[in-house]
Amino acid sequence: SQTIHQWPATLVQPVGSPLSLECTVEGTSNPNLYWYRQAAGRGLQLLFYSVGIGQISSEVPQNLSASRPQDRQFILSSKKLLLSDSGFYLCAWTGSTFDQPQHFGDGTRLSIL
Amino acid sequence: AQKVTQAQTEISVVEKEDVTLDCVYETRDTTYYLFWYKQPPSGELVFLIRRNSFDEQNEISGRYSWNFQKSTSSFNFTITASQVVDSAVYFCALSGTINEKLTFGTGTRLTIIP
Repeated sequence: SQTIHQWPATLVQPVGSPLSLECTVEGTSNPNLYWYRQAAGRGLQLLFYSVGIGQISSEVPQNLSASRPQDRQFILSSKKLLLSDSGFYLCAWTGSTFDQPQHFGDGTRLSIL
Repeated sequence: AQKVTQAQTEISVVEKEDVTLDCVYETRDTTYYLFWYKQPPSGELVFLIRRNSFDEQNEISGRYSWNFQKSTSSFNFTITASQVVDSAVYFCALSGTINEKLTFGTGTRLTIIP
């Protein structure tokens, strides 16, 4: 069966520091991958999605970037974190044919000090 | 542009009561999908249901039921005989058929009082 892993679960970073959050999927090939952010008390907002290696689409302008160096690996990065980057980050995947709904990882809670 | 509205920010009911969570959506797509996800206090998002826009049949799964009405652009979720374990934030979401990017509502925090 397919599983999705995100790490770290919790992260506290100072303003201006870099960021790297990793997401990997097991048990499937060529998944569609997504990064969402949930700000405190708000819904989820799609940040990036990828339909293949090296293919990244950005949904909103921001201080973050994403990369997909391998088929089942999706990385969220920042060179310099801002206070407004605080939030709960969720990675999700779905099959390449969209025959099933998006399934989410356990999330990373990011606090910027 | 797509939009999902969950007007109920927070709901509290006593255990064993029935509760309905409202969801209203906007889209120009003729084909789309509607979803409900549950987010327990631990934070992960748990998939509950996906409904195709061409299928307006109501669905029941145990104590959960969903009422999809295209005429009112609504996809409401009812929990029958609520339990404390149902306490969570519930999100309604919408996607088109291209890349299935999800547009989420702001969520409804449901608290079941024992």
